[in-house]
Formats: sequence, structure tokens, C-alpha cells
Amino acid sequence: GAVVSQHPSWVICKSGTSVKIECRSLDFQATTMFWYRQFPKQSLMLMATSNEGSKATYEQGVEKDKFLINHASLTLSTLTVTSAHPEDSSFYICSARREERGVREQFFGPGTRLTVL
Amino acid sequence: GDSVTQMEGPVTLSEEAFLTINCTYTATGYPSLFWYVQYPGEGLQLLLKATKADDKGSNKGFEATYRKETTSFHLEKGSVQVSDSAVYFCAPNQAGTALIFGKGTTLSVSS
Repeated sequence: GAVVSQHPSWVICKSGTSVKIECRSLDFQATTMFWYRQFPKQSLMLMATSNEGSKATYEQGVEKDKFLINHASLTLSTLTVTSAHPEDSSFYICSARREERGVREQFFGPGTRLTVL
Repeated sequence: GDSVTQMEGPVTLSEEAFLTINCTYTATGYPSLFWYVQYPGEGLQLLLKATKADDKGSNKGFEATYRKETTSFHLEKGSVQVSDSAVYFCAPNQAGTALIFGKGTTLSVSS
């Protein structure tokens, strides 16, 4: 099966610092990846669509200057939370879309728990 | 856009009880339907899926049938285990666009 990894799995940082989260598709190429965030006991909210070689598409209400997305290769997308604040503490989950023989499927990473002090 | 309505949780059952989690969706076109499961502290795992009407997805004893006429994809399991305790998400999906999730249903199974 397709495997998607995220790194780090958890991170604690001080308020005002920036944090980078990596999402990798390990055994397939993904021109499209998606970033979600999940608050405790809530559903996953789509933040943005990451497209290899082009700018990300952000959902309404998501600050693109706050959440920088870079999809520099067919197997890696990064999400950088800039000048993080406690309200950015959340569980961030990525998914990578595999397209094979005309079939598109998404595979999810294990998530990254960010805690901002 | 697509949307989904799941039954409100939490659902609390005893081990070996029968489980049903209702899911109805609205979508333009002809989506594929998915159930994902999230165990405590973990990411999402695909539980099962169905890609066309009357298809039945199944995995780990769970089943769901794609009912186009009622736009439903209810999740069932005949005998739940403590290890099934998790949050379950139903999601319609069109041709690989971003999955949009409902609120999820928390299942708690006690021994």
C-alpha cells in the first residue's frame, strides 16, 4: 500500500518561533497533497491544497502568510507555521494523492501534534 | 460542494454489541464514499470504501453499502470489540479532490 510519512510527529515550540512540518509520500509520486488541521475532539478542516511546482490553494479563512506551503518535489510538501502562537496548537495532518491507471486515491500521514507555549 | 451528515456521538456500546453509524451525504455527480477511522492520538486510516451504487465496502468486520437512492453509506459491524473504540469519519469524494469530513462519530466500547 501507499505510505505517507510526516515529520516530526510532535513538536513543542515557544511563541513567536516558526515550525516546519514535512509530508512525504514514500512509495509513490504525488503532484497534489492536502493539509488539514484538527482541534481536540473536532473534525479535520482542510487548510490548503499543495501542488507540486506551483502555489498552494488556501481555503477561506486560512492565512497564507501564516501557513507557508512549499511543494518542491513530487514526494515532499512542507507546511511552515510562521510566528506560531498558542492558538496555532493543533494536530496537523497531510494527505497525498496518488493517481494510478486513472484512479485517484488519497493517503494520510500519521499527523504532527504542534504545541505552542 | 459536497457535505456529509453523521449521527451525533458518542456511541457507547458493550463488547459484542451490534454497531450502526449513520451517514448521509450530499454531492453533485457520482462520488466515491469512504469511511475513515482515527484511533486515539493517531492519524486517519482508511477503513473501507465503495465507488458505485450498491457496492459494499468491507474490512475488519465492518461493512457499508453505497445507497444512491437514499444517499447513505451507513457503517455496520455485527460484534464490536474494545479495540474498535475510535472516531469514525464518513466522507464522499469526487475524483480525488480533497476529502471533506463531517464531524465524526466517537465510538466507545466497554468490556
